Amino acid sequence: QVQLVESGGGVVQPGRSLRLSCASSGFRFNSFAMHWARQAPGKGLEWVAMVSYDGSKKYYADSVKDRFTISRDDSESTLYLQMNSLRPEDTAVYYCAKELRGYYMAVWGKGTTVTVSS
Amino acid sequence: DIQMTQSPSSLSASVGDRVTITCRASQGISNYLAWYQQQPGKVPNLLIYAASTLQSGVPSRFSGSGSGTDFTLTISSLQPEDVATYYCQEYNSAPFTFGPGTKVDIK
Repeated sequence: QVQLVESGGGVVQPGRSLRLSCASSGFRFNSFAMHWARQAPGKGLEWVAMVSYDGSKKYYADSVKDRFTISRDDSESTLYLQMNSLRPEDTAVYYCAKELRGYYMAVWGKGTTVTVSS
Repeated sequence: DIQMTQSPSSLSASVGDRVTITCRASQGISNYLAWYQQQPGKVPNLLIYAASTLQSGVPSRFSGSGSGTDFTLTISSLQPEDVATYYCQEYNSAPFTFGPGTKVDIK
């Protein structure tokens, strides 16, 4: 079955960097677009970024543009999110998700927690 | 960017009640609208995509409708396990904005 497992979260100081990973299995990774979304403590969902199935298109939320970079390694079936210049407001649970027949988020991982604090 | 609004922000209903949640987009998005359910402490789960297509495995008491800017999610007979926050999301054009959510609980 489809599995998505995020990792790489932790506690980091403001201004520092972190790279999240999302290991996938159970489907043909290079055939699907992939997303990152996040949820700050006690808040709603926020879409963060998407990469197309072939890596040619990348889209970002305004709140992370120019600081975060989404990428994929199809040989490893892994999605990444490079997060630079982190801010306290980036504190959240970060989820990766797979699209199905459109750019909606059909399957979600369990998430990894990022805390930005001095 | 497209803005998404939802109403109400919360509601309380009895088991067996029909519940309707509204989602509005700031500009037309055709039927590129998804609904998600997030039960307390759990990961979001896709309920409906393309505004009205039920995701595999989702109970038939959930249904969606709408096109353009106005959409609804209906639970035909509320069950205790439906206590959750429900989010709409447009996927017509990036950024793929979520609505603010509607919290549903049992009266």
